[in-house]
Amino acid sequence: ETGVTQSPTHLIKTRGQQVTLRCSSQSGHNTVSWYQQALGQGPQFIFQYYREEENGRGNFPPRFSGLQFPNYSSELNVNALELDDSALYLCASSLTSGRVGEQYFGPGTRLTVT
Amino acid sequence: AQRVTQPEKLLSVFKGAPVELKCNYSYSGSPELFWYVQYSRQRLQLLLRHISRESIKGFTADLNKGETSFHLKKPFAQEEDSAMYYCALPRKRGYQKVTFGIGTKLQVIP
Repeated sequence: ETGVTQSPTHLIKTRGQQVTLRCSSQSGHNTVSWYQQALGQGPQFIFQYYREEENGRGNFPPRFSGLQFPNYSSELNVNALELDDSALYLCASSLTSGRVGEQYFGPGTRLTVT
Repeated sequence: AQRVTQPEKLLSVFKGAPVELKCNYSYSGSPELFWYVQYSRQRLQLLLRHISRESIKGFTADLNKGETSFHLKKPFAQEEDSAMYYCALPRKRGYQKVTFGIGTKLQVIP
């Protein structure tokens, strides 16, 4: 069984740029959620993808967008980066038909915006 | 709106002392609650869920609907318990959004 993987591990971008983060879900999982974790805070839900469609969204602006592919891997895209977007971005996969709230997290991508 | 509150950012206890990590929640309906843990240099992982009424690594948590609390307890702290602990509240309907608390860092002093 393969766990959740994310790439890249670290990323430094300049304000105004765009970034794409990638996530491969755990084998057999069809649902991917993305979270933003700022320093000293808990993870904040960005959105969730199920069967290649957005299936719920948190309080994040439209410049945060995503994709899910047929193999259930996913991308998080952030346009027009702002300094406050600096955070750890976590991807979590789950089985929609599985136990509610049971998610398996990746190691995260640390994004720094300068 | 669902909300999770962890009032302590840092909790320091001596090895062998009891541990109680506090969590209070706000939720319409009957909640399901979880504790997630993140050990140093490891990924966030599920520790336990209230519905299972299980004990994991000596930790237990009881849902108190009257006090809207879900405190995590262990009678005797071990050094390997040092980690960040997050209380989490998932939606029960629709998509699986999980609301996390701010986290409490547990430091077990040898």
